[in-house]
Amino acid sequence: AQKITQTQPGMFVQEKEAVTLDCTYDTSDPSYGLFWYKQPSSGEMIFLIYQGSYDQQNATEGRYSLNFQKARKSANLVISASQLGDSAMYFCAMRGVAANDYKLSFGAGTTVTVRA
Amino acid sequence: DTGVSQNPRHKITKRGQNVTFRCDPISEHNRLYWYRQTLGQGPEFLTYFQNEAQLEKSRLLSDRFSAERPKGSFSTLEIQRTEQGDSAMYLCASSREGNTIYFGEGSWLTVV
Repeated sequence: AQKITQTQPGMFVQEKEAVTLDCTYDTSDPSYGLFWYKQPSSGEMIFLIYQGSYDQQNATEGRYSLNFQKARKSANLVISASQLGDSAMYFCAMRGVAANDYKLSFGAGTTVTVRA
Repeated sequence: DTGVSQNPRHKITKRGQNVTFRCDPISEHNRLYWYRQTLGQGPEFLTYFQNEAQLEKSRLLSDRFSAERPKGSFSTLEIQRTEQGDSAMYLCASSREGNTIYFGEGSWLTVV
């Protein structure tokens, strides 16, 4: 079984500053993938970034980077230079990487509000 | 390359009525998923198709729920005899094998 924990229900960040969203996980799978999705008020879940458990380097994608600490079972998302359009709900999710692993397990999400 | 398309985007229905949602996945994605999301929560897995075969149904999916994916292309999710507890957003997603899962914009259901 996989479990994702996001302990920050809501966060405020000033425009142009960086924000870190926490995500811890628990799994018995030896290999797994970690995902972050953004969900604006329109509802669409937008894929942001992926980290494989055996990747040697932390994933980066534009202004998004993932601070992956395998021993601590954490996969925090860092958004640099926040923009007003970053205001949304952010979900951490994980899935095993075996051929028959297909279900994503999601955390409860963190609401980010960017202030001008 | 168009994304995952869902319709209708919003549906208000009276308790006891049937509703059907449609999902068109990204072209050539053989895997299709349905998730349900209630306010303030993360999405919960409902069911999964590989091509036209429905390989898993969550226990969340009561007998009133049925999903199909004829010919391995689009999928429909039908809810019969809707109840107020069915009010939620129903998200469809697709992927190619074990790659990244891409979601649609969701279909909001309100049962009154």
